[in-house]
Amino acid sequence: QKEVEQNSGPLSVPEGAIASLNCTYSDRVSQSFFWYRQYSGKSPELIMSIYSNGDKEDGRFTAQLNKASQYVSLLIRDSQPSDSATYLCAVRGQAGTALIFGKGTTLSVSS
Amino acid sequence: DTAVSQTPKYLVTQMGNDKSIKCEQNLGHDTMYWYKQDSKKFLKIMFSYNNKELIINETVPNRFSPKSPDKAHLNLHINSLELGDSAVYFCASSLRTSGVSETQYFGPGTRLLVL
Repeated sequence: QKEVEQNSGPLSVPEGAIASLNCTYSDRVSQSFFWYRQYSGKSPELIMSIYSNGDKEDGRFTAQLNKASQYVSLLIRDSQPSDSATYLCAVRGQAGTALIFGKGTTLSVSS
Repeated sequence: DTAVSQTPKYLVTQMGNDKSIKCEQNLGHDTMYWYKQDSKKFLKIMFSYNNKELIINETVPNRFSPKSPDKAHLNLHINSLELGDSAVYFCASSLRTSGVSETQYFGPGTRLLVL
């Protein structure tokens, strides 16, 4: 059974702080990794994707991937109240296979 | 312009009824998906179609039957609805299936409540 694990939270950070969201996965042959943001009552939207070990930065967001440790993380710098949402980690094995989602981490940014 | 649209947005029905949810994408994508998100927010793949052909069929009761009349549409028909079917159903699409980097775009969701 392929699994993606996330701490459900809530993770509470003050405005301007760095939020760190973590995800581990069980399938060693996983090739692609995604972070989706889901606001309450809305659909998931892609914010970052990463395929190679290391860091990938996009604005205030940095995704980090360590395939040896089967670990992927998302850092949000200068957190804003508008970042308050559930963050879903998703992992895909080989091309053509389904995305496996974690249960999500709820982030709360207080002003 | 709506990229991935679903109808209806809300669906309240009685146990035992049969209902359908429709999905359409205007992105020109080849691949479409149905996901179920339960009350604990766990999002799980149900089906995937590539160019009208079923390619992923997870362990889903056979009361659920997807139908793809063309590659822009993927509908979900549910027979004999049960209380446990209450969830949010999301349709998604991606350009194709073959690339590991394919991004999936989600529709707004259909909130199904079975009474």
